[in-house]
Amino acid sequence: DTGVSQNPRHKITKRGQNVTFRCDPISEHNRLYWYRQTLGQGPEFLTYFQNEAQLEKSRLLSDRFSAERPKGSFSTLEIQRTEQGDSAMYLCASSPPGLALSSYEQYFGPGTRLTVT
Amino acid sequence: LAKTTQPISMDSYEGQEVNITCSHNNIATNDYITWYQQFPSQGPRFIIQGYKTKVTNEVASLFIPADRKSSTLSLPRVSLSDTAVYYCLVGSFTGTASKLTFGTGTRLQVTL
Repeated sequence: DTGVSQNPRHKITKRGQNVTFRCDPISEHNRLYWYRQTLGQGPEFLTYFQNEAQLEKSRLLSDRFSAERPKGSFSTLEIQRTEQGDSAMYLCASSPPGLALSSYEQYFGPGTRLTVT
Repeated sequence: LAKTTQPISMDSYEGQEVNITCSHNNIATNDYITWYQQFPSQGPRFIIQGYKTKVTNEVASLFIPADRKSSTLSLPRVSLSDTAVYYCLVGSFTGTASKLTFGTGTRLQVTL
């Protein structure tokens, strides 16, 4: 397995358009996370799945953002009616089963860089 | 998630040992201490995680004193390729992941 993959790697869109990103976690990883990162800042947590259930959603995630993880495998993050402030790197991470609940051991993908013009 | 404080930046020469200290005065009993490395335009990479005393892997060592109010990431004999941002995370993932924040990290610059 080559790790977490994300597609596309880059996306340029016009304000008001909808965009969707995909994340394929490491095989058999049951936890999946989405983060957003802007220049010079650390990643900010957006949402988290355990298998197909979305268990946590940050207050940073407005109603324009939605994430899914059908069948507990890949995940998609959709942003509707994009705004210039949505420009950022969107990172996906996954964790294997068997870790202590208190573990923050995560494996990140390369990210999708979104530019909203 | 316990608040953490790290130096904003550090400089080192190639071949030296680098120690990055993270303060986390309000760490809770169940909290783990986790360190990540991030290169430009890449996702963070998990380096090491510990709960108490010392943890060592093929990449780094993590020293945690008895009171657990701080931790030190030790990188032996750094090379130019270790130039990156290093993040310290402290917390317990108990379903309140919305508190999971990386902070601004420590920018390590390694030169010849």
